[in-house]
Amino acid sequence: AQSVTQPDIHITVSEGASLELRCNYSYGATPYLFWYVQSPGQGLQLLLKYFSGDTLVQGIKGFEAEFKRSQSSFNLRKPSVHWSDAAEYFCAVGKGGSQGNLIFGKGTKLSVKP
Amino acid sequence: DAGITQSPRHKVTETGTPVTLRCHQTENHRYMYWYRQDPGHGLRLIHYSYGVKDTDKGEVSDGYSVSRSKTEDFLLTLESATSSQTSVYFCAISEPARSAYEQYFGPGTRLTVT
Repeated sequence: AQSVTQPDIHITVSEGASLELRCNYSYGATPYLFWYVQSPGQGLQLLLKYFSGDTLVQGIKGFEAEFKRSQSSFNLRKPSVHWSDAAEYFCAVGKGGSQGNLIFGKGTKLSVKP
Repeated sequence: DAGITQSPRHKVTETGTPVTLRCHQTENHRYMYWYRQDPGHGLRLIHYSYGVKDTDKGEVSDGYSVSRSKTEDFLLTLESATSSQTSVYFCAISEPARSAYEQYFGPGTRLTVT
């Protein structure tokens, strides 16, 4: 069965520092992978997606993610974190089929210190 | 931002009472989803709809029913609310012609069952 693991529940980084959030997935075929961000009290917003092709994908707000099939990973990165990036980040994998069912990880909460 | 609204935004109800949450979209997207979000669990799919009157169960459908009588509205009903259904409920939409997995989320409904 498909699954998504986000090993880090909470990460704190300094403003201006680089960021990497980890995501590992379990899926038999080529996965559809996503990162969503949720600001406090808000719904989720799609940051970026991977369907096929170039394994380094660019998203909104300066985020990027790299698909590594050999490691079953899809880690999210940002070279310089801003205070406004403080939020919870969710990795998700498409379950397969045509209905768009997503399996979400449990999330990583990002805190940014000045 | 995608035109998705949820009502009510907050609700407190008593155990055993019926509750209906509404999701309304103005995007004319064919697919709609109901998720619940609980600490430590991420988002879990309750039910989804792939067209008017076409619905199916998700991962955590027990105790919930849905209806979709027109494209723009997707209702989630708790027939007899229990304390375990205290959660934040999110509606999402997607358009399969683009990608069913690329989902846009509403602002959420915080439900407390006492």
